[in-house]
Amino acid sequence: KNQVEQSPQSLIILEGKNCTLQCNYTVSPFSNLRWYKQDTGRGPVSLTIMTFSENTKSNGRYTATLDADTKQSSLHITASQLSDSASYICVVSRGLTGGGNKLTFGTGTQLKVEL
Amino acid sequence: EADIYQTPRYLVIGTGKKITLECSQTMGHDKMYWYQQDPGMELHLIHYSYGVNSTEKGDLSSESTVSRIRTEHFPLTLESARPSHTSQYLCASSELNGGVETQYFGPGTRLLVL
Repeated sequence: KNQVEQSPQSLIILEGKNCTLQCNYTVSPFSNLRWYKQDTGRGPVSLTIMTFSENTKSNGRYTATLDADTKQSSLHITASQLSDSASYICVVSRGLTGGGNKLTFGTGTQLKVEL
Repeated sequence: EADIYQTPRYLVIGTGKKITLECSQTMGHDKMYWYQQDPGMELHLIHYSYGVNSTEKGDLSSESTVSRIRTEHFPLTLESARPSHTSQYLCASSELNGGVETQYFGPGTRLLVL
């Protein structure tokens, strides 16, 4: 079954601290993995995308890693800010026979950054 | 910031009413999507379209219907709203770049059916 599991479910950290969010998937055949940031009451916004051959991708203070062998990804946030408080969603795309892609969404990690 | 818009942002309505959630994008994308998301849960695809006059059901069964008469518009309609339809509805459009499809999401419509 194609699934995406994220941990932890929620996380509270102090401003300025680093944190790492985890994503494990069983989606096959793998096409790409994307991390989204979703602010409360808003639509998700893409942070990073990695294909099979990429094992790390950075976007400012966000660094994503991918281990396609173990089917794991992580999102590392450096020097957290209050504005980082949001839900972080891992989305894995798989290729479909005949073309096209199908997305499987994780339930997200709810991050809260406090003073 | 993606040029994809949804209206209304919030809607509180009584049971039995007909509602239409609007979604429009100015990026000229052919593919558009509707997702349903309950609080703290993952997004579930309920409808998608490959272009004008194309509409398909998604993974999650929904009593809503969609239409795609114009490239830029992808409205979702509920003929008779029920409390079970209370949720957040997210519209997205996508583009293919170098073989990788990127979806851009609208801000969502939070629907509460009383």
